Amino acid sequence: AQKVTQAQTEISVVEKEDVTLDCVYETRDTTYYLFWYKQPPSGELVFLIRRNSFDEQNEISGRYSWNFQKSTSSFNFTITASQVVDSAVYFCALSGPRNSGNTPLVFGKGTRLSVIA
Amino acid sequence: ETGVTQTPRHLVMGMTNKKSLKCEQHLGHNAMYWYKQSAKKPLELMFVYNFKEQTENNSVPSRFSPECPNSSHLFLHLHTLQPEDSALYLCASSQFTGGGEEKLFFGSGTQLSVL
Repeated sequence: AQKVTQAQTEISVVEKEDVTLDCVYETRDTTYYLFWYKQPPSGELVFLIRRNSFDEQNEISGRYSWNFQKSTSSFNFTITASQVVDSAVYFCALSGPRNSGNTPLVFGKGTRLSVIA
Repeated sequence: ETGVTQTPRHLVMGMTNKKSLKCEQHLGHNAMYWYKQSAKKPLELMFVYNFKEQTENNSVPSRFSPECPNSSHLFLHLHTLQPEDSALYLCASSQFTGGGEEKLFFGSGTQLSVL
């Protein structure tokens, strides 16, 4: 069965600090996909990134970066120079091929990030 | 206009009421989903519809009844709910491929309170 663990329930940082959100996953599939979503106070989950299991290159998008390490089954998310607008709940999620019996997008419990001005 | 629209945004209902949640997607997708988000729990998948056919029912109690009349609209009919059903109900859509790579696009949710 697939499982996603986000051990950090809540994190508070002061604006301009860097912060890393941890994500550890479990799956028996060799092909799978990892996602990060952001949920601002308005409620909708906003897609941030998707990585497939064969691409371990780290990715950077502006102040956001992602570190995918298959050896440790982790897909961590770093925000550099955090801003108040980054305050939200962040979800890590895992998906695999449906013919393996996987359900769509298994989510972690989320990490609530508060950035204080 | 947002890609996935949910109404109402907030709903308060008694345990004997019948109500419906509505979701509409404007993205041309062929799959739609209902998720339940409770405090301190992971998002729970409830139902999946691909091409208007229900393909997943994640052991959801029968007091929740989904309906998908076409690929753009999804309803969740509610009756005789319990207080523990109070949660944020999120609708999502995607372009189904079967490979697992599809991105889900979410609505803002309906915050449901059962008294």
